[in-house]
Amino acid sequence: QVQLKESGPGLVQPSQTLSLTCTVSGFSLTSYNVHWVRQPPGKGLEWMGRMRYNGDTSYNSALKSRLSISRDTSKNQVFLKMNSLQTDDTGTYYCTRETFPFLNYGSSLDYWGQGVMVTVSS
Amino acid sequence: DVVMTQTPVSLSVSLGGQVSISCRSSQSLVHNNGNTYLSWYLQKPGQSPQLLIYKVSNRFSGISDRFSGSGSGTDFTLKISRVEPDDLGVYYCGQGTQYPWTFGGGTKLELK
Repeated sequence: QVQLKESGPGLVQPSQTLSLTCTVSGFSLTSYNVHWVRQPPGKGLEWMGRMRYNGDTSYNSALKSRLSISRDTSKNQVFLKMNSLQTDDTGTYYCTRETFPFLNYGSSLDYWGQGVMVTVSS
Repeated sequence: DVVMTQTPVSLSVSLGGQVSISCRSSQSLVHNNGNTYLSWYLQKPGQSPQLLIYKVSNRFSGISDRFSGSGSGTDFTLKISRVEPDDLGVYYCGQGTQYPWTFGGGTKLELK
């Protein structure tokens, strides 16, 4: 069955870099797009960026200068790196799959990981 | 960026009742391929969001027919009939028509 699981440090110091891994199973990264979405505590959802099935990436312009998404298809993993973290980057980070394969345009997000809580604090 | 505005922010309902949630976008969500990529998600307490409805009115696999989506252009509605305890949580609309994808602020459904 389709599964996504995020992993990474729970605590990051201000100004440091966040590195998260999304390990997927039950589908191929060369067929489906995978997105990263985050949620500050008690607040709503913010789309961060996307790894397309063909390796292309798109980023939220608000984060673009700090954010990088990459992948290792042999390990079924998608990576998120974001630098210059501040306290307002605290929240739960989710990786999630787009609903249909081989999409070059938008759709919806059907399977979500459990999320990883990241706290930015010294 | 497309701004998604949900109303109301919170909603109280009795079990077995019916509710509607509104979602409006600042721009048309009709893609140049003719599809409208408006989705609805439910986030139950302590859980990840789950997809309920995609492309305005299509129920995702395993989603009860008590959930229905409608609308067009910039104005969309989610209706939930015969509300059950498992329906409680925060509902989000989201658009995938334009980058960056954006979400509404959420509507919290609570028991009356």
